[in-house]
Amino acid sequence: GQSLEQPSEVTAVEGAIVQINCTYQTSGFYGLSWYQQHDGGAPTFLSYNALDGLEETGRFSSFLSRSDSYGYLLLQELQMKDSASYFCAVRVWHNFNKFYFGSGTKLNVKP
Amino acid sequence: NAGVTQTPKFQVLKTGQSMTLQCAQDMNHNSMYWYRQDPGMGLRLIYYSASEGTTDKGEVPNGYNVSRLNKREFSLRLESAAPSQTSVYFCASSETMSNYGYTFGSGTRLTVV
Repeated sequence: GQSLEQPSEVTAVEGAIVQINCTYQTSGFYGLSWYQQHDGGAPTFLSYNALDGLEETGRFSSFLSRSDSYGYLLLQELQMKDSASYFCAVRVWHNFNKFYFGSGTKLNVKP
Repeated sequence: NAGVTQTPKFQVLKTGQSMTLQCAQDMNHNSMYWYRQDPGMGLRLIYYSASEGTTDKGEVPNGYNVSRLNKREFSLRLESAAPSQTSVYFCASSETMSNYGYTFGSGTRLTVV
């Protein structure tokens, strides 16, 4: 099966930088994705890492280390609108490629 | 561009009733998925359809059936609803090997009493 671990909650102040970690155990690993979900909303895709290293998209960056089964999402210049839950998801190949999601990290951004 | 459309948005069922959740996408994606999300938890895969005409079980398929009606539509049926199926249900679609992730619908909030 699949196992993903991420912190349940993180608090940071507006303008700061926050890192949300994700460790995983799975077979057939293809890559790691991150999704954002505001309360009552649908998950929205943020990033995908198939290879080791850092991918940057504006204020958000995502990192993957396949050898350590570890990744993180880095949010810079935090804004109040970044308050949401963030999910890591592993892409695996078992007859077909599917994503399995972690339980999510609730980010609280304070003024 | 509507993306992924789910109906209904809210539903209350009595134990033992049946219902079908509808999902349609207009992005010409091959693959579609049904997930459920329980409070404080991540999304768990119920069923998926790799392409039109195929369906397969995910992590938590018991109590559900699906139909991939055509390339656009993928429905989820609860034959005899149970309180344990109270959840938020999300439909998603993607290209089969896309690196751009899933596009999710806005969800169906289902309560079984």
